Amino acid sequence: DTAVSQTPKYLVTQMGNDKSIKCEQNLGHDTMYWYKQDSKKFLKIMFSYNNKELIINETVPNRFSPKSPDKAHLNLHINSLELGDSAVYFCASSQTAGRDLGQYFGPGTRLTVT
Amino acid sequence: GIQVEQSPPDLILQEGANSTLRCNFSDSVNNLQWFHQNPWGQLINLFYIPSGTKQNGRLSATTVATERYSLLYISSSQTTDSGVYFCAVERWGNNRLAFGKGNQVVVIP
Repeated sequence: DTAVSQTPKYLVTQMGNDKSIKCEQNLGHDTMYWYKQDSKKFLKIMFSYNNKELIINETVPNRFSPKSPDKAHLNLHINSLELGDSAVYFCASSQTAGRDLGQYFGPGTRLTVT
Repeated sequence: GIQVEQSPPDLILQEGANSTLRCNFSDSVNNLQWFHQNPWGQLINLFYIPSGTKQNGRLSATTVATERYSLLYISSSQTTDSGVYFCAVERWGNNRLAFGKGNQVVVIP
C-alpha cells in the first residue's frame, strides 16, 4: 500500500550515459513533483506537473526531461549524465484542493555518476 | 523567493530530554510541513500544519502564521528521533515547497 514509490532506489552510472527514474503515486493526487537533494542535504524543486501538464520548470539543464503519461506517474529522464548530477532525487505528490494540501514524498533515488 | 530559516542547525540530546526546533519564514504561506529525514534518507511526513497546533505521540507542532514561525517539540527523545528535521513552506499558488536547511538532531543513549 505504498503511497509514493520510485524506482530504482539506487542508480550508479558513468558520465555521458542516459538514465530514467520512475515515480508512481496511488493517493489519487492531481499534482506531482521532482525535487533534488544535494550533498549538503539541501532540497530544491525541479519540476511540477498538474493533471499531466507541466506547471513548474525551475532553472534545470535541458538534459533533464520529465514526462507524465498520466496523473499517477511522473518519470524523469536524464541525458548525458555529468558528475554534478550525483544527488538524491525525490518524487512527491499532492492534491491542489481539499483539507490536506501537504506533499507526500517517495523514498528517493540515490544517483551516483562516476 | 520565500526564505526559510531553521534553528538550531545542530542539536545533541541525551535520551529522554525534550527539545524545541524553530522555523521562521519570510512570507505568508498556505502550506507548512515538518519532515524527518532518517539516517536511511527517507523523508517522513510529520505534520501538515499551516496554522494551529497538532500532536502526534511524543511530537507536537505549533504554527503562528501571523508571526511567520513554526515550532516542533520533541518530548522524551529516543535514539530513533535522530536525523534531520526539515521545515518546508508553500506560498499561495506557488505549487512548490521551499525547504529550510534542516535541524540535525543526534540523540545519544
